[in-house]
Amino acid sequence: SQQGEEDPQALSIQEGENATMNCSYKTSINNLQWYRQNSGRGLVHLILIRSNEREKHSGRLRVTLDTSKKSSSLLITASRAADTASYFCATDGDNFNKFYFGSGTKLNVKP
Amino acid sequence: AAGVIQSPRHLIKEKRETATLKCYPIPRHDTVYWYQQGPGQDPQFLISFYEKMQSDKGSIPDRFSAQQFSDYHSELNMSSLELGDSALYFCASSFKGESSYEQYFGPGTRLTVT
Repeated sequence: SQQGEEDPQALSIQEGENATMNCSYKTSINNLQWYRQNSGRGLVHLILIRSNEREKHSGRLRVTLDTSKKSSSLLITASRAADTASYFCATDGDNFNKFYFGSGTKLNVKP
Repeated sequence: AAGVIQSPRHLIKEKRETATLKCYPIPRHDTVYWYQQGPGQDPQFLISFYEKMQSDKGSIPDRFSAQQFSDYHSELNMSSLELGDSALYFCASSFKGESSYEQYFGPGTRLTVT
């Protein structure tokens, strides 16, 4: 990818379990955003975390950011079958004129 | 709430033909981004515009051009289409007046080149 890697590339869990996805990036950033994409569909914005923030919550989502390690994690708690999708992180490098995507984690939540 | 609109949603073209994709950003958003996502790939940045001026350029082929108009909508023009241009093309918009620069994506245009 243009920016970095996400791991795992694929994750399969049972409904009710927590899912953790990690994203690493290469350059300094201003913001990091997480997106969800159902197969062949559009990208849905989930959460944005600024470079001066360490943790952010939104519903069942929890995002952490460690700028010293150039990494972020997305935790989905109490997963549901409807959470099955690909999850991407995107960073703005050091300008706001373009964003780089990680390679994505394909999450499968089994009912 | 209004979202990013892209048209057409699906487009089938033959090799060497031309295609034009349109993007209508969220009202008040002043920045438009174009991305290309091949099958099983992550989205790749193509080009962006801020206040009708090109602000950055990524891996956009010379056969492609884009512009942003006075009403802030944007068009991506693709000429001499190749089989490898088959992909999902996303437009996103954001408002630089906000400190967060959240990008909101349209539903995408699926281009198939035969």
